[in-house]
Amino acid sequence: DAGVIQSPRHEVTEMGQEVTLRCKPISGHDYLFWYRQTMMRGLELLIYFNNNVPIDDSGMPEDRFSAKMPNASFSTLKIQPSEPRDSAVYFCASSQRRDPVRAFFGQGTRLTVV
Amino acid sequence: GESVGLHLPTLSVQEGDNSIINCAYSNSASDYFIWYKQESGKGPQFIIDIRSNMDKRQGQRVTVLLNKTVKHLSLQIAATQPGDSAVYFCRGPDNYGQNFVFGPGTRLSVLP
Repeated sequence: DAGVIQSPRHEVTEMGQEVTLRCKPISGHDYLFWYRQTMMRGLELLIYFNNNVPIDDSGMPEDRFSAKMPNASFSTLKIQPSEPRDSAVYFCASSQRRDPVRAFFGQGTRLTVV
Repeated sequence: GESVGLHLPTLSVQEGDNSIINCAYSNSASDYFIWYKQESGKGPQFIIDIRSNMDKRQGQRVTVLLNKTVKHLSLQIAATQPGDSAVYFCRGPDNYGQNFVFGPGTRLSVLP
């Protein structure tokens, strides 16, 4: 398996624009996580899905953020409208039902909002 | 609230020396911990885990120790190499008992 695949690797956008980050989890994994990493706040859990269903979105900063998982092999994290403070590295991770806490991470998307 | 925290944000060691990275936890019901390594430009990678019914677990050059009395765990790296330079995270349960929260991380720098 190629591991968790995220796209794009880098995204630079202007404030106010919509940004969509994409993730393909490892095949057969039941859990999917979205994390955000910054120097100030470290690695924050934004939301996670189990069998395509959002379970806990309490980490989503505000209504500008939304995440979907239309099927077992794809998820998106959308920011609309984007703001400079959203600049961070966004990681997607997935794990199996038998060991949900052992997550496999993608390479991340570095988002810069100017 | 319950949380996972680290004692030191940065650690510098000489190449060849042993490294010890510490992590404290507050939830006495914690039963499972994972250590991750994050190299520059990459996502975190699993290193080793330990369950609460164990005090020690060894891997290749790494050992994790769990002290439930003082709610403390540590990651020991033997004969530290330049490739060990990274940020290390311990992972434990959050307020809801789910093990999906990360501590702030410790940056390990290996000096030549």
